[in-house]
Amino acid sequence: NAGVTQTPKFQVLKTGQSMTLQCAQDMNHEYMSWYRQDPGMGLRLIHYSVGAGITDQGEVPNGYNVSRSTTEDFPLRLLSAAPSQTSVYFCASTQTSGTGGNYGYTFGSGTRLTVV
Amino acid sequence: AQSVTQLGSHVSVSEGALVLLRCNYSSSVPPYLFWYVQYPNQGLQLLLKYTSAATLVKGINGFEAEFKKSETSFHLTKPSAHMSDAAEYFCAVSVDTGRRALTFGSGTRLQVQP
Repeated sequence: NAGVTQTPKFQVLKTGQSMTLQCAQDMNHEYMSWYRQDPGMGLRLIHYSVGAGITDQGEVPNGYNVSRSTTEDFPLRLLSAAPSQTSVYFCASTQTSGTGGNYGYTFGSGTRLTVV
Repeated sequence: AQSVTQLGSHVSVSEGALVLLRCNYSSSVPPYLFWYVQYPNQGLQLLLKYTSAATLVKGINGFEAEFKKSETSFHLTKPSAHMSDAAEYFCAVSVDTGRRALTFGSGTRLQVQP
């Protein structure tokens, strides 16, 4: 199994450009999420989805859109890139069944985005 | 809402010395706690997790952590540091809701000196 696959690995955008960060998982996980990682701030939740057709905002959603048309894919869209969106973006997935914290998050390898 | 505080953004130890990385959490409901490791230019790898089954949790690469409810802590330890342990370590908390979101601490960068 490939796990969680993110593309591209690196991207440079000009201010105002749009792009989509791709995330795909092959583990049949219902839950998928996007985080951004900035120095000294850990990872912060942008958007998440608990299943196909269901999305919700996380801690820092402004400037980002998501959709979930299939279980496997959860793309993150930047409509008009800003320098403040320069960051490393991680996609993560887990199953929603089971309780007691016995769910494991699988992270992708990240997309390093620079907005100039 | 839950939160995590990691004390010390940088920790330096000598090879063979004890590693202690501190994590304190805040949660109004029983938490689930995780430690992740990130090597340079890589994603996050789960070291260990606390899910209420046992307060002392053993993970990969010789790491372990102890959940102390009275101190709201979940510190990560390793008896003897190895050069390959040099990385950034993140503590995270989650609660048993549909959101399943992880809330991360700001991270601790571990340096291991020869």
